[in-house]
Amino acid sequence: DAGVIQSPRHEVTEMGQEVTLRCKPISGHDYLFWYRQTMMRGLELLIYFNNNVPIDDSGMPEDRFSAKMPNASFSTLKIQPSEPRDSAVYFCASSLDPGQNYEQYFGPGTRLTVT
Amino acid sequence: LAKTTQPISMDSYEGQEVNITCSHNNIATNDYITWYQQFPSQGPRFIIQGYKTKVTNEVASLFIPADRKSSTLSLPRVSLSDTAVYYCLVLKYSGAGSYQLTFGKGTKLSVIP
Repeated sequence: DAGVIQSPRHEVTEMGQEVTLRCKPISGHDYLFWYRQTMMRGLELLIYFNNNVPIDDSGMPEDRFSAKMPNASFSTLKIQPSEPRDSAVYFCASSLDPGQNYEQYFGPGTRLTVT
Repeated sequence: LAKTTQPISMDSYEGQEVNITCSHNNIATNDYITWYQQFPSQGPRFIIQGYKTKVTNEVASLFIPADRKSSTLSLPRVSLSDTAVYYCLVLKYSGAGSYQLTFGKGTKLSVIP
């Protein structure tokens, strides 16, 4: 398997623009997670899905952020409108059912810069 | 959810054993302890997970005392390639697909030649 795939790897946009980050989890994994990492706040869990259903979105910073998982092989994280403080590395991760194995597999991340 | 505390940074010479301790005073009965490693410009990578006593795999050992209020990740004979940030986290699986987890600030390990 190619692992978790994220696109784009780098995104530079201007404040106010819409940004869409994409993730393809490992085939067969039931769980998908979106994280944000910054120097100041470390690694933060934003939202996670189980079988395409959002389970906990309490980490989503505000209404400007939204995430969808239309099928088992694709998820998006959207920021609209974007702000400079959204600049961070965004990671997607997937895992099997935690009842079997908790290991999360992380993608390479998308580095977002909002100017 | 149990909060974790670990040293911000550690230095070690090549070939030495490194022990990184994590404090999780409020750990609950159903919580698991997990460690991840992260290299610059990469996503975190799972190292090891345990519930109690000792767990060992091909890269590390995890020691958990009886009260489970702390845990120690042990890396035998580190090399320069082990320079990374190491995260301790407590995982609570509540059943029915419900997770709770929090990554701490991590420990930046620098291995010196």
